[in-house]
Amino acid sequence: EAQVTQNPRYLITVTGKKLTVTCSQNMNHEYMSWYRQDPGLGLRQIYYSMNVEVTDKGDVPEGYKVSRKEKRNFPLILESPSPNQTSLYFCASRVTGGNGYTFGSGTRLTVV
Amino acid sequence: QKEVEQDPGPLSVPEGAIVSLNCTYSNSAFQYFMWYRQYSRKGPELLMYTYSSGNKEDGRFTAQVDKSSKYISLFIRDSQPSDSATYLCAIASGGSYIPTFGRGTSLIVHP
Repeated sequence: EAQVTQNPRYLITVTGKKLTVTCSQNMNHEYMSWYRQDPGLGLRQIYYSMNVEVTDKGDVPEGYKVSRKEKRNFPLILESPSPNQTSLYFCASRVTGGNGYTFGSGTRLTVV
Repeated sequence: QKEVEQDPGPLSVPEGAIVSLNCTYSNSAFQYFMWYRQYSRKGPELLMYTYSSGNKEDGRFTAQVDKSSKYISLFIRDSQPSDSATYLCAIASGGSYIPTFGRGTSLIVHP
């Protein structure tokens, strides 16, 4: 089944403790992206990657890092999480110039 | 002004009603128009994609784009309780294809 897989689905952590949210897609898509979704603010892009080793900032990149060492994987790294990063996170992928994203099921992160 | 405006609702309709969901946008460079549906505790899923003015139909769903007014709509005919979800419009310019999302409209279809 074609899909984007995120892990974990739910995560509660403490301020300052580094964490990684993994994202993997099995569709051979070049383009991958991370979004956060907050009430009243909608989906906002954090980082995106147009291919292996090519990443760029989205609208809200502060406090996040990404890497794209393999085509299928695009992990999101929070080196020192803070409570304002409590949110619902989505990974998405598509072909370059493609018709739209395939989204993962989301990771609900709570930073206390 | 936000680039893509969408009324958050909620919009509550009886089963069988025709639903109209709308977005306005400000950037005339936008060329690609999408509608996503998001059920509670799930990721958004692509419903409709179009890149031209006019209508595009897929079953009970019709996407309409009016580039001159910078206005897009999604119509749902014969709405069902299973259509209850949040509907997100997304608009992208040519070249980058990076979409800007509306905030989403919550739709409730009651039996």
